[in-house]
Amino acid sequence: GENVEQHPSTLSVQEGDSAVIKCTYSDSASNYFPWYKQELGKRPQLIIDIRSNVGEKKDQRIAVTLNKTAKHFSLHITETQPEDSAVYFCAASSRTGFQKLVFGTGTRLLVSP
Amino acid sequence: GAGVSQSPSNKVTEKGKDVELRCDPISGHTALYWYRQSLGQGLEFLIYFQGNSAPDKSGLPSDRFSAERTGGSVSTLTIQRTQQEDSAVYLCASSPPSGMSERGYEQYFGPGTRLTVT
Repeated sequence: GENVEQHPSTLSVQEGDSAVIKCTYSDSASNYFPWYKQELGKRPQLIIDIRSNVGEKKDQRIAVTLNKTAKHFSLHITETQPEDSAVYFCAASSRTGFQKLVFGTGTRLLVSP
Repeated sequence: GAGVSQSPSNKVTEKGKDVELRCDPISGHTALYWYRQSLGQGLEFLIYFQGNSAPDKSGLPSDRFSAERTGGSVSTLTIQRTQQEDSAVYLCASSPPSGMSERGYEQYFGPGTRLTVT
């Protein structure tokens, strides 16, 4: 089955810096890669996703890149702000379709003012 | 509108007891998922319901775990003979029919039930 690895487990940056979180997946048939943000004590929320037919997607300060050959995808946050502090999870779909997601173990991002 | 709701928010139980966790998905969402989140870990897939199709139970860790979804809406996750390693936050999520929205694959999570087995 699918296996998703996520690095780093923790990331500390200064406000205004960029942050990059990387994930690798094992199943070459995976075709959907969402990123969820979970603030302390709150539920996970989708922030951006990408499908396997595109290599990059941007939404304001966040972007996701996908390298299907290498089976890895990354989340990029520019001009980080304290409110970006949260745990970020990457995920990949399994062969059974978009709905069954396998999640990474999460990255705790801390943005210091 | 109302989001996904779960009850109870917290549950403390003794080892060996059975527990039931409830999930009310967003109205109109055909897909419903259960995940388990242990401290400092990611979200572990447990089970997935889609409409009237047979559920995907491939993530259930043992036969002590079961789930049902009545009338295509509310779902109950049951853990029998609870063990200490069952302690975790149990998250439910739902999503609309594929193609019904720009983010048709987005999963909307509930607030979770924190289960503590003593």
